[in-house]
Amino acid sequence: KAGVTQTPRYLIKTRGQQVTLSCSPISGHRSVSWYQQTPGQGLQFLFEYFSETQRNKGNFPGRFSGRQFSNSRSEMNVSTLELGDSALYLCATRTGLTTEAFFGQGTRLTVV
Amino acid sequence: EDKVVQSPLSLVVHEGDTVTLNCSYEVTNFRSLLWYKQEKKAPTFLFMLTSSGIEKKSGRLSSILDKKELFSILNITATQTGDSAVYLCAVYSGGYQKVTFGTGTKLQVIP
Repeated sequence: KAGVTQTPRYLIKTRGQQVTLSCSPISGHRSVSWYQQTPGQGLQFLFEYFSETQRNKGNFPGRFSGRQFSNSRSEMNVSTLELGDSALYLCATRTGLTTEAFFGQGTRLTVV
Repeated sequence: EDKVVQSPLSLVVHEGDTVTLNCSYEVTNFRSLLWYKQEKKAPTFLFMLTSSGIEKKSGRLSSILDKKELFSILNITATQTGDSAVYLCAVYSGGYQKVTFGTGTKLQVIP
């Protein structure tokens, strides 16, 4: 059974650019959550999608957005990148409301 | 605002020692508490706890939840260098199972 796949694994962007990250969930998992992890702030929740609808949202500015497709794959977009957006972005998927989440390997974003 | 606090922030022990990691929480409409181990990038699932007082066990690791006092502990006995990692506690809450993570406990096991 394939795990959670995140692409790309590494990314370097310059300030002001935008970036799109992708997360393909485990087959049968309809929930996809996105997290930002930095050394100082730990793992911070961005948003969660379930059946193409955003059902939970963290405290991040509107520059961070996401969407989910009918096959449950999800994308996360960050516009007008800032240096502080440099982080490991993790996605986690689960089948439904009461199950554990499985994480992808993450995308390491560096903004220069 | 929902809050999950882990302690200690970091810990250095010798192989063979027993460690106890703590996780306390303040959330609205608690659903479950999960423990994860993060070695390099992807956190891996350890336990999910929903009921008070029932110990979950997997090898040298065990965990228990106290819903009255709003905390959980993760015990690791006979620690090995392979246990070195960041241990994350996460709480699901609310109708749509919002997840709040603690900042983690960094455990280093030295030979």
